[in-house]
Amino acid sequence: GEDVEQSLFLSVREGDSSVINCTYTDSSSTYLYWYKQEPGAGLQLLTYIFSNMDMKQDQRLTVLLNKKDKHLSLRIADTQTGDSAIYFCAGDNYGQNFVFGPGTRLSVLP
Amino acid sequence: KAGVTQTPRYLIKTRGQQVTLSCSPISGHRSVSWYQQTPGQGLQFLFEYFSETQRNKGNFPGRFSGRQFSNSRSEMNVSTLELGDSALYLCASSRAGDNEKLFFGSGTQLSVL
Repeated sequence: GEDVEQSLFLSVREGDSSVINCTYTDSSSTYLYWYKQEPGAGLQLLTYIFSNMDMKQDQRLTVLLNKKDKHLSLRIADTQTGDSAIYFCAGDNYGQNFVFGPGTRLSVLP
Repeated sequence: KAGVTQTPRYLIKTRGQQVTLSCSPISGHRSVSWYQQTPGQGLQFLFEYFSETQRNKGNFPGRFSGRQFSNSRSEMNVSTLELGDSALYLCASSRAGDNEKLFFGSGTQLSVL
């Protein structure tokens, strides 16, 4: 089954771009997702990409998928303090159950 | 459209007790999944229900069980609570079709003393 890895921490300055990276072990997901979790809250779906796509842009968010390297990234343009949260990448594991990475804690410094 | 609703928001129990958590999915969503979130283990899949039937199950002991009702609402039960069961329990619903985007509730924070 799928196994997903992420770096645990990222710190950026307000206004800069943030890039959160994710790697996965096999290609058993049809869709790959990015979720955001703020303190004391559940997970909020940010965006997703079909496994046959290379890139998807959604306002400030850009998702890049490199199938050869099994690498997924989320770029947040013009990062704001409100973007401070934990970000999870996830694969749908061919509809069996979602597999989540450990989460990347993004800190945005003023 | 109302989101996924989980009750209660917080629970404190002692070892050996049992607990029931409730989840109301988004209207029209027929699939409900449960996840356990802890600082050490991250998000771990418990089980998924669709049309009142358990469709997938994670690697948890039999003390963890669930069910789904005809209106798609779901409950999960944990019996004989252990200290290690302290966690945030998240429920997610989806339409159950192509691109089964999961929509999460705010979770139930369970503390076992």
